[in-house]
Formats: sequence, C-alpha cells, structure tokens
Amino acid sequence: AQSVTQLGSHVSVSEGALVLLRCNYSSSVPPYLFWYVQYPNQGLQLLLKYTSAATLVKGINGFEAEFKKSETSFHLTKPSAHMSDAAEYFCAVSGVEGRRALTFGSGTRLQVQP
Amino acid sequence: GAVVSQHPSRVICKSGTSVKIECRSLDFQATTMFWYRQFPKQSLMLMATSNEGSKATYEQGVEKDKFLINHASLTLSTLTVTSAHPEDSSFYICSARAGQLADTQYFGPGTRLTVL
Repeated sequence: AQSVTQLGSHVSVSEGALVLLRCNYSSSVPPYLFWYVQYPNQGLQLLLKYTSAATLVKGINGFEAEFKKSETSFHLTKPSAHMSDAAEYFCAVSGVEGRRALTFGSGTRLQVQP
Repeated sequence: GAVVSQHPSRVICKSGTSVKIECRSLDFQATTMFWYRQFPKQSLMLMATSNEGSKATYEQGVEKDKFLINHASLTLSTLTVTSAHPEDSSFYICSARAGQLADTQYFGPGTRLTVL
C-alpha cells in the first residue's frame, strides 16, 4: 500500500523568496517519487522524479527535491520564487520501479506575491 | 518528446447521453495508459489502468459498465462515459507510460466534462 501526504494545502511566498513544498510518503516497496505541476484547466507536467539513484534530484524550472528515507520525505524546493511558479503542485508515489499507477497527494497551491 | 493529447478538451452534454474522450500518445508507443478523475480543488484519483489489447483494470468503486475503456492500439485509449449524469461532471485526465519498463507517466491536458 502507498500513500502521500502533502502538508499545507496553500503556501504563499513573496517573489524571490525560498519555496518549500512538503511531501511525506508511505510505501511498502521501494518508492519512485514524482513532483508534478498543474496550471489551471491543464494536465500535469513532470517537474522531477526520484528513481532510487541520487537522493538530490534536480528538475525543470529551478526546482529540486531531496529524498530522505529516514524521514520518508521528498520535499520540493526552489531558491527564488517567480510569479510564473504560481500553480498547483502534486507529489506522487509509485511502486515496482514506477510501473504502477501513481498515488497522488492532495496537492499544494502555491501563491507568489509580488 | 513524450507528448500526450486528449480530445475534446471540453464537452458539455445532456444527461443520459454518452461521451467519448480520446487519449493519444503522439511520439511514443504507450503499452499502458491510465485514466484519472479530478474533482474541483481536489487531487487526481485513479479510475482504471488500460493495457493495449486487453481489458482495463478498474479501481474499486468505479463502474466498468459506466466508464468504458478501450485501448485498441499502442497510441490510443478511449474513455466513454455512458448515460452521463450531472455527478459525472469532472476533469478527466489520462496518462501514458512508454513501454513496460518505463518509470514515468506523461499526462494529457485533460478533458472538462459538464453534464447538464
């Protein structure tokens, strides 16, 4: 069984400030972990993924995430927020080397204030 | 690469009618496609897993006779909502995986279904 918990349904930061979106997972098998971004009325775009290689994963648009097995966490960070980062972010987990369907967290809406 | 399209992007229909949504992988062959449903301000919930050439596997609580899924080719899966009712109004998103060993799903842009 797998599950994902995203702490904070809404996060608001100022432009240029650090972005930190939290994700904790539970998985009975070695997890593959993903962060997706969704803009209004659009599908999901892959930001980055963890596939059991390097624990610090770099993605697109300056985002990165660190896999911490001891904390069962996969938090998403970006050093400096841009207005264009405002969107909904989903953390997801998949087992069996990513070949299963994804289990999503509830999502975090990121607001960027000017 | 790894582009997935969905058609239509938006559909409005009357209660009792059927609606077909297409999901296509444009630049890769997708042996497995997934159909998700997303209610407003909520997360994605898996409805079914579709494997090319075989019957779809539905999640618990999803009516297979109401949500017909066909995956007739390696680039196309269809979801037909039969006898649609207002409670079926939702955002339907498909995703595709490139090959049995692929670890990443690529998502379509979604279809907004409104049943009047």
